[in-house]
Amino acid sequence: KAGVTQTPRYLIKTRGQQVTLSCSPISGHRSVSWYQQTPGQGLQFLFEYFSETQRNKGNFPGRFSGRQFSNSRSEMNVSTLELGDSALYLCASSLGLAGGPYEQYFGPGTRLTVT
Amino acid sequence: AQSVTQLGSHVSVSEGALVLLRCNYSSSVPPYLFWYVQYPNQGLQLLLKYTSAATLVKGINGFEAEFKKSETSFHLTKPSAHMSDAAEYFCAVNTGGFKTIFGAGTRLFVKA
Repeated sequence: KAGVTQTPRYLIKTRGQQVTLSCSPISGHRSVSWYQQTPGQGLQFLFEYFSETQRNKGNFPGRFSGRQFSNSRSEMNVSTLELGDSALYLCASSLGLAGGPYEQYFGPGTRLTVT
Repeated sequence: AQSVTQLGSHVSVSEGALVLLRCNYSSSVPPYLFWYVQYPNQGLQLLLKYTSAATLVKGINGFEAEFKKSETSFHLTKPSAHMSDAAEYFCAVNTGGFKTIFGAGTRLFVKA
């Protein structure tokens, strides 16, 4: 079975621009979660989607948004980029809802650098 | 509220020595507990999980963890460290609240 894929792997953007990151979950997985990872803040939960519905959201500003398509693929968007948005963005898929007995399978991440 | 505390942001051991990475959790309901490992420039990978079956859980690469309800702990151990074990390790808890809570991570260094 193919793993979780994320595109692009690396991205350099300028402050004020917007960016869209993509995640393709493992086939059959309906839950997709997004995380931001930085050296200072560690792993921070952004949001989770299950069957095209956002089930939970972390403490991030409204500039961070996401969506999930009917094939479970997900995208996250960050508008009006700030220098502090530079991070590794990880996507994880799971058979069931986050918070249950199911483990998450992570993609390799998209490293976003904002200059 | 649920939380996860990993004691020690950095742990250093010699090759062949015991690895012990500590994790304590706080949860008002029976938790599901996980350990993940992250190698440089990669995503997280599941090492093992506890879902209310046996309290001693065996995972990949020779790691195991014991769920101790009375101590609210889920420490990760490996009898003999290998150079390839150098990575960052994350403890995580699921408590049915639509979210996985991750610890801050422990970076393991293995000395030759």
